[in-house]
Amino acid sequence: SQQGEEDPQALSIQEGENATMNCSYKTSINNLQWYRQNSGRGLVHLILIRSNEREKHSGRLRVTLDTSKKSSSLLITASRAADTASYFCAPSGNTPLVFGKGTRLSVIA
Amino acid sequence: DVKVTQSSRYLVKRTGEKVFLECVQDMDHENMFWYRQDPGLGLRLIYFSYDVKMKEKGDIPEGYSVSREKKERFSLILESASTNQTSMYLCASRNGGLEEKLFFGSGTQLSVL
Repeated sequence: SQQGEEDPQALSIQEGENATMNCSYKTSINNLQWYRQNSGRGLVHLILIRSNEREKHSGRLRVTLDTSKKSSSLLITASRAADTASYFCAPSGNTPLVFGKGTRLSVIA
Repeated sequence: DVKVTQSSRYLVKRTGEKVFLECVQDMDHENMFWYRQDPGLGLRLIYFSYDVKMKEKGDIPEGYSVSREKKERFSLILESASTNQTSMYLCASRNGGLEEKLFFGSGTQLSVL
């Protein structure tokens, strides 16, 4: 199964700043998905980017994908305290989604 | 909205007990998954099912079994619970297809004493 590796492991920023998280993976993919997890809860799907797409936007989220480097990034603009959570990437091929350890984002008001 | 319901939010069991974790989804999804999440280890896939009565091993199936007798229900079974199975267990479902997103339950925090 495929697994993404998120970087950094933890990130602390002030409210209003932008937060950037990165994901690297090792095999070819059909798409890559990003999920968010609030403390002690299940994951929630944020956004999916297909392998033939380079960039995708959804509200304050911007995702990029570079298949030649096997990497993706998630940018959250104008962060809010409510964005405090763990963020996971999930490279998707023809196997079940697996998740790495995530990036723990703390947004300080 | 899709709802994935896990039967218990918190569960405390004794070593050696047989434990059932139940998961029900209400959107007729074909695929269902069980993960466990531990600090420092992330989420790990235990078992999954692409259809009724079908099951596949994930990355860490040892010590677990599953049952999928009905499409909406996917049960995780710990035949003889051990302390190293203390963990957060997360169930998820999705329609078949590679672009389908996963819908997660709220999780069951299992403590085995």
